Amino acid sequence: NAGVTQTPKFQVLKTGQSMTLQCAQDMNHNSMYWYRQDPGMGLRLIYYSASEGTTDKGEVPNGYNVSRLNKREFSLRLESAAPSQTSVYFCASGGYEQYFGPGTRLTVT
Amino acid sequence: GQQLNQSPQSMFIQEGEDVSMNCTSSSIFNTWLWYKQDPGEGPVLLIALYKAGELTSNGRLTAQFGITRKDSFLNISASIPSDVGIYFCAGQLGGGNEKLTFGTGTRLTIIP
Repeated sequence: NAGVTQTPKFQVLKTGQSMTLQCAQDMNHNSMYWYRQDPGMGLRLIYYSASEGTTDKGEVPNGYNVSRLNKREFSLRLESAAPSQTSVYFCASGGYEQYFGPGTRLTVT
Repeated sequence: GQQLNQSPQSMFIQEGEDVSMNCTSSSIFNTWLWYKQDPGEGPVLLIALYKAGELTSNGRLTAQFGITRKDSFLNISASIPSDVGIYFCAGQLGGGNEKLTFGTGTRLTIIP
């Protein structure tokens, strides 16, 4: 039982490049979430998915797209990366209690 | 967007001391959660609180759901080196809205 897994762990992009962050959970949760964490700040919600086939914007959705591929997987895509998107990205799943993955550390130069 | 006010921002304590931290909001939440984050890791859920006034323990950790629903408190007794990390509170409206609003964190350091 791996919980929430994320790939990759680290990534460096040049401005304008695109990439997809992958997330999978094996806890049979309906809801999944993408957060970003910046120094000195708590976690801020980018997008979430309350169930397979549905997605909604969170607090900071600009510059991102998501896909809820199936119940297990929820991906986050940066179409044209910008330096302001340098951050640590966390995926989480769960309802009342959310469980987090280990994070992806992204640097955009 | 709203973030919760968490205090203190940082704490420097000696091993064996007790620790208290709190989280306040301008709006009501129906669930409060406390997480701990170690360097380079994702947040780990410590305690979940579902009812105003509720007091819940997890080992040396005790958390309380404030009676006004606008605050929560976390206490750690007899701190040990592995308690070092950043502690986050999070509030949830519930009732179909599962989104979490996070505090800015309390960084706990233990002085040798």
